[in-house]
Amino acid sequence: DAGVTQSPTHLIKTRGQQVTLRCSPKSGHDTVSWYQQALGQGPQFIFQYYEEEERQRGNFPDRFSGHQFPNYSSELNVNALLLGDSALYLCASSLAVGTGFFRQETQYFGPGTRLLVL
Amino acid sequence: SQQGEEDPQALSIQEGENATMNCSYKTSINNLQWYRQNSGRGLVHLILIRSNEREKHSGRLRVTLDTSKKSSSLLITASRAADTASYFCATDAKTGFQKLVFGTGTRLLVSP
Repeated sequence: DAGVTQSPTHLIKTRGQQVTLRCSPKSGHDTVSWYQQALGQGPQFIFQYYEEEERQRGNFPDRFSGHQFPNYSSELNVNALLLGDSALYLCASSLAVGTGFFRQETQYFGPGTRLLVL
Repeated sequence: SQQGEEDPQALSIQEGENATMNCSYKTSINNLQWYRQNSGRGLVHLILIRSNEREKHSGRLRVTLDTSKKSSSLLITASRAADTASYFCATDAKTGFQKLVFGTGTRLLVSP
């Protein structure tokens, strides 16, 4: 059973360019979340996709956009890259168990894509 | 912004010793999870503790949760060199769909 996969593993771009990162969730999972992790920091939530729609978003500008496909895989797009976008981008997949208080969604993370903006 | 803080920021111990790291958070939560990250790669899920639980064990790991103090601790017993990694706590706030909010992490170094 394959875990969460991400591509590419590394990427170098220049300021102003656009980038697309890809994620395939763990088998059976229907929810994909994206996180940005700057060097020396904890991951920060970008957004979450469920049933092909963005259902929650963190404090990131509109330059960050995403998509979820019918097979639950997902893409993260970043436009007009800035030097500060250099980071490790992590994808996590999950499947809700229960509802409300009893909801437990363990998020399983992929290995990440390291983006360097020059 | 980060939800909270892990303490200490860095911890260096010898193999066989126990390692304790603490996490504080700010809002009411559904659950709290601990993750391990090796060399800046993907995060590995270690354990989830619900807000109505006070203690949970998994192998050499023991997690406690004190919701009145908004804090949690992770104890790794009989540590091994392979435990060297960064450890993060992540909270799932009572705000609807799950959105993990991570702390700043504790860097653990276990020397042989």
